[in-house]
Amino acid sequence: EIVLTQSPGTLSLSPGERATLSCRASQSVSSSYLAWYQQKPGQAPRLLIYGASSRATGIPDRFSGSGSGTDFTLTISRLEPEDFAVYYCQQYGSSSTFGQGTRLEIK
Amino acid sequence: EVQLVQSGAEVKKPGESLKISCKGSGYSFTSYWIGWVRQMPGKGLEWMGIIYPGDSDTRYSPSFQGQVTISADKSISTAYLQWSSLKASDTAMYYCVRHRGVYCSGGSCYWGYFDYWGQGTLVTVSS
Repeated sequence: EIVLTQSPGTLSLSPGERATLSCRASQSVSSSYLAWYQQKPGQAPRLLIYGASSRATGIPDRFSGSGSGTDFTLTISRLEPEDFAVYYCQQYGSSSTFGQGTRLEIK
Repeated sequence: EVQLVQSGAEVKKPGESLKISCKGSGYSFTSYWIGWVRQMPGKGLEWMGIIYPGDSDTRYSPSFQGQVTISADKSISTAYLQWSSLKASDTAMYYCVRHRGVYCSGGSCYWGYFDYWGQGTLVTVSS
């Protein structure tokens, strides 16, 4: 099973700042089959990025994904108040597993 | 508009059976794989398994094989997640998801990502 490790566990930033979230895989993820989701309290997760770097429908362009192999990054260029949430990465190159999440909180 | 609407919250006792549902609308239900994801209280996400409503082809994550049953009734565009004997450790929020990017080649299948999520069904198992 591919284990995904997200870092940091919690990220404290202010609106307008840039956020960089990391997702590291225990082995190479086939064909960059890596997605990112956002989850707000009391809500279902929402797809942000698939295929490591493709934005899902309706996702603002301040969200971007990059990486390949074992190292992937979600970047939020300028944080809006509604971006503070928990973010999960998911690999689907070998079965399907999620990272443990990064909590993005307001500083 | 694509929607996945799940059945309501359940409170059950250990040993009881349960079947929760997920009704799809706004798209061709038989053309997309539907999966289930567990989120235990205060914890992360776990993929449980997947079904193709068109022919009921079903696969399970090894962690959930034998623990739950996934099924679908394409005549009413509804997928199900079922337990025969609940345990306290089954207490969690369960989400149904629509899979995208699924394909199988050379005996291996790639289960894709999840572009639409149901609102979740909270299952509480307590004596």
